Amino acid sequence: AQSVTQLDSQVPVFEEAPVELRCNYSSSVSVYLFWYVQYPNQGLQLLLKYLSGSTLVKGINGIEAEFNKSQTSFHLRKPSVHISDTAEYFCAVRPQRGGYNKLIFGAGTRLAVHP
Amino acid sequence: NAGVTQTPKFQVLKTGQSMTLQCAQDMNHEYMSWYRQDPGMGLRLIHYSVGAGITDQGEVPNGYNVSRSTTEDFPLRLLSAAPSQTSVYFCASSKGGTTEAFFGQGTRLTVV
Repeated sequence: AQSVTQLDSQVPVFEEAPVELRCNYSSSVSVYLFWYVQYPNQGLQLLLKYLSGSTLVKGINGIEAEFNKSQTSFHLRKPSVHISDTAEYFCAVRPQRGGYNKLIFGAGTRLAVHP
Repeated sequence: NAGVTQTPKFQVLKTGQSMTLQCAQDMNHEYMSWYRQDPGMGLRLIHYSVGAGITDQGEVPNGYNVSRSTTEDFPLRLLSAAPSQTSVYFCASSKGGTTEAFFGQGTRLTVV
């Protein structure tokens, strides 16, 4: 079984400040890791995924996440946030074998960017 | 390219009524899933399908039925709606392997 813990339910931050959203997971099998973003009244969009290889994965607009196997973490970072980054962010895992549509989500972190 | 399409976007039901939430994808994905999203709980898997004719239960299946007669469609049926089923429902599809899941825009359901 897998579980995902997002350590902060809400993160307030000022515009242009850096931010880190924390995610820890537990699993008895190897997993793939994902970060999804949900803007108000919309569906989920993929931000980043870690499958294998380099532990630092990079997305657009400076967003990145680092996989740490020993700490079972996959924290997301952005060096400078904008008002438009205000959204809910979900960390998720799924088994590498046979779990193609069995995503396990964290409870989400609501990022609020203030001017 | 429509991706994953869910209908309706909003629905209000009375306790005891039944209804079907529709989900269709045009990406020829084998794998489809239904999730419900509740405040402070993230998304939880209700039912999933690994191909036409094959479905299985997820974490919270009680009160819901699914079927998958075609690759494109994966409807979710509420048999007798209860207030505890008030939630936002998301349908997702994926190709499998290392690819990610694609989500629909959601259906906001209120049971009164």
